[in-house]
Amino acid sequence: DADVTQTPRNRITKTGKRIMLECSQTKGHDRMYWYRQDPGLGLRLIYYSFDVKDINKGEISDGYSVSRQAQAKFSLSLESAIPNQTALYFCATSVGSGLAGSDTQYFGPGTRLTVL
Amino acid sequence: AQSVTQPDIHITVSEGASLELRCNYSYGATPYLFWYVQSPGQGLQLLLKYFSGDTLVQGIKGFEAEFKRSQSSFNLRKPSVHWSDAAEYFCAVRGRSQGNLIFGKGTKLSVKP
Repeated sequence: DADVTQTPRNRITKTGKRIMLECSQTKGHDRMYWYRQDPGLGLRLIYYSFDVKDINKGEISDGYSVSRQAQAKFSLSLESAIPNQTALYFCATSVGSGLAGSDTQYFGPGTRLTVL
Repeated sequence: AQSVTQPDIHITVSEGASLELRCNYSYGATPYLFWYVQSPGQGLQLLLKYFSGDTLVQGIKGFEAEFKRSQSSFNLRKPSVHWSDAAEYFCAVRGRSQGNLIFGKGTKLSVKP
């Protein structure tokens, strides 16, 4: 079984709809991240969480919110989806080893979201 | 500002030829450095990483990368490319006191038979 899973894998929705993307991990990692990928722009960080009680905004958090329901689960919500949120969304995890730690991120398979 | 530059958007090489993908970074101090690969329709897979020590690091699938502090570069190399290496490659950096990765925009590799 995959260590980092994302559901759904593909989603088509309409402008104004609320949508939630879910990420689960079995790696036992403390840290979780949400990125979006747009062609030609690479990956950009939306939100990250270093533990269940710690949520931080990333580079492009406007229009998004997150919930860390448990150590293993990190959800991304679009309260009112708009077409320019059409993108590929990735969840990632890392073990977290303190400020000076050499932390490697492991990525899920991605969710392709289309907002019409 | 912290940034990662991958100057080549798209590279095409012949199967069996050598490969070098360029990565330059701008950071206040020496960061941790990573290369990821994304095959079509897939997520990102870690190829290799540099934290400290030997500046030539070996990764999976026969890839290696060399950290050059003086040039702020971390170029990825492979001596002989296989058709299955066709993918998009991302260089990323992370500060030694931070948790967030900063990605380059990626280089798409095509492999000619």
